[in-house]
This record gives sequence, C-alpha cells and structure tokens, in this order.
Amino acid sequence: GAVVSQHPSWVICKSGTSVKIECRSLDFQATTMFWYRQFPKQSLMLMATSNEGSKATYEQGVEKDKFLINHASLTLSTLTVTSAHPEDSSFYICSARNRQNQPQHFGDGTRLSIL
Amino acid sequence: DQQVKQNSPSLSVQEGRISILNCDYTNSMFDYFLWYKKYPAEGPTFLISISSIKDKNEDGRFTVFLNKSAKHLSLHIVPSQPGDSAVYFCAASGWAGNMLTFGGGTRLMVKP
Repeated sequence: GAVVSQHPSWVICKSGTSVKIECRSLDFQATTMFWYRQFPKQSLMLMATSNEGSKATYEQGVEKDKFLINHASLTLSTLTVTSAHPEDSSFYICSARNRQNQPQHFGDGTRLSIL
Repeated sequence: DQQVKQNSPSLSVQEGRISILNCDYTNSMFDYFLWYKKYPAEGPTFLISISSIKDKNEDGRFTVFLNKSAKHLSLHIVPSQPGDSAVYFCAASGWAGNMLTFGGGTRLMVKP
C-alpha cells in the first residue's frame, strides 16, 4: 500500500516553456501533499505544502508565481514550473500522506532539464 | 546549518551481520523521526518511524532507536541482506510531521 505515482519521470524542454508535473496517491487519500527539490549532491529541500482544497504554503525563498501548485482532489496534486529557465533544472519529487503524524510516501521524482 | 546529520556517507557490511546507521539532530523541537531507503532513480521508500515518546520501534529486521538526550537516532538492520544495499536517509519533523528535514544519506553496501 501507500503508492505515490509521479509523472513524468524525465522531461527536457526549451527555456520559456511551462512544465506540469503530476503527483497521484494511488491507494490512499492524500489530505496533504508536499513538493521537494533536490540539487546535485544535496538532500531534499521542501518547496511547499499543499492541503486538498486550499492554497499551498510555500517555504521561504520559493517563488509562488514561479512554482504553481494545485491540489484539487484527495489523490492529485500538480506542480507547474512556469516560464522555466536553465536554473530551474533540478530533480523534483512529491510526497503524500493521509493524516498528520503519518509518514510521507514519496513518488519517484521528475528530472527536469531546461535547455 | 544542518539540523539533521548523517556523518557516515557510506557503510559496508557483510551479509548476515548487523548494519547500524546513525543520525544526529540539533533541533529539540523535532519529535517525529523517520528512516527512508532510496534506490537510484526512485523516490525514497518509507521504512520505519518513531515518535519522541518512544525510544525504540521495531518492524521485522528493522529497529530504530531514539536517544533524545543525545539527540541521536539509529537504524539497525539484522540480518543484513544484499537487497538492503541502498542509500538510507533519516528525517525529522516537528508537530504533525509536516516539514521533513532530511539528513544527507548513508550509502549501505551489503556484501554477499
């Protein structure tokens, strides 16, 4: 149980393009989903927390207009990187959990490369 | 300042023996701790967790120990198997387990 699916796993696109990444909880209802970013040789850094049906809470230094998060249902959250530039190239990974003080379960991540 | 540290970047263990992975934290507000296992090109897989009201939690071959006074936790894997070879991350959070702070990971290699 507790499977989280993330799609796409790898995307390459031109600078200026907007890219949408999907995160789905397949066998549980995710009241809260989290989006992380990982730079090379560094650990996962939380970008934002989203609760179903409400606006995401962004961590300090994360541009909310750049990284649009939607959590419209209990099984789906999306992260849209708007007008992506090479410095946005990174590994993005989502996690989900069904209630507080329960473990977060992670997707397999999306490697985003902006040319 | 790293609030969660895994000081050993790698660990090599013989199959059948015990693997002990260590993690230290500095934030006394952390009260929920987790261990994740990660294979290349996959997301972290949850292994085991412990809340600050306990000092030990066991699940099969995996046991997590928490020493709050020392701000230290460890993951014991007994017996170690080659399939356990992966990168192990400890993570910590405050109330409600929202913001996870991860350690840098320890690569475990279990030799047959």
